[in-house]
Amino acid sequence: DSGVTQTPKHLITATGQRVTLRCSPRSGDLSVYWYQQSLDQGLQFLIQYYNGEERAKGNILERFSAQQFPDLHSELNLSSLELGDSALYFCASSTPGRQGANVLTFGAGSRLTVL
Amino acid sequence: AQKITQTQPGMFVQEKEAVTLDCTYDTSDQSYGLFWYKQPSSGEMIFLIYQGSYDEQNATEGRYSLNFQKARKSANLVISASQLGDSAMYFCAMREALYTGANSKLTFGKGITLSVRP
Repeated sequence: DSGVTQTPKHLITATGQRVTLRCSPRSGDLSVYWYQQSLDQGLQFLIQYYNGEERAKGNILERFSAQQFPDLHSELNLSSLELGDSALYFCASSTPGRQGANVLTFGAGSRLTVL
Repeated sequence: AQKITQTQPGMFVQEKEAVTLDCTYDTSDQSYGLFWYKQPSSGEMIFLIYQGSYDEQNATEGRYSLNFQKARKSANLVISASQLGDSAMYFCAMREALYTGANSKLTFGKGITLSVRP
């Protein structure tokens, strides 16, 4: 158990629908990152939050949005779903490491299938 | 240009032997960090090892070591005494601007599949 909790583990939905993925970071971690893993695109960074504030944005579609709440859990909202959104969505939280490096600890992922 | 390049096709290694997984990177930053993660078939991402750009010695963590060649911009992962449980996908990743704190995301390579033969 990495300490990063993601729900749901699996989700099957239809095109055009909206889903919400939830993430609870490791105790003490203030940063939350969202990544999308698909066969053709690999691991793509979507967005990062630090202590409730958006810190960095990657290749996140306008149909996707995220937020981090005061209790530090985060939600990734995916709307107007398309077949190509089928992927494994990871949440990670960061742990301060030596020499300023932050090790990302990943959750088990939420596998989204859009039919 | 790709930030992280992992071009090896699927790799095979005999149990108990050593294997090297290649990674090259591209950055103009002076301070950066390099990471390796393992993703078994169950899907989770497991942190293995980290190397900072200013580290003078190659990082080691148990059976994992990182062969860091800064001038060549390569950060190869060496797994010694391979075990069947090492069969997985391995990802190299980089964080740039290490000490600014402004953007601490990791950029990942495409990954390499390693299969350990009994």
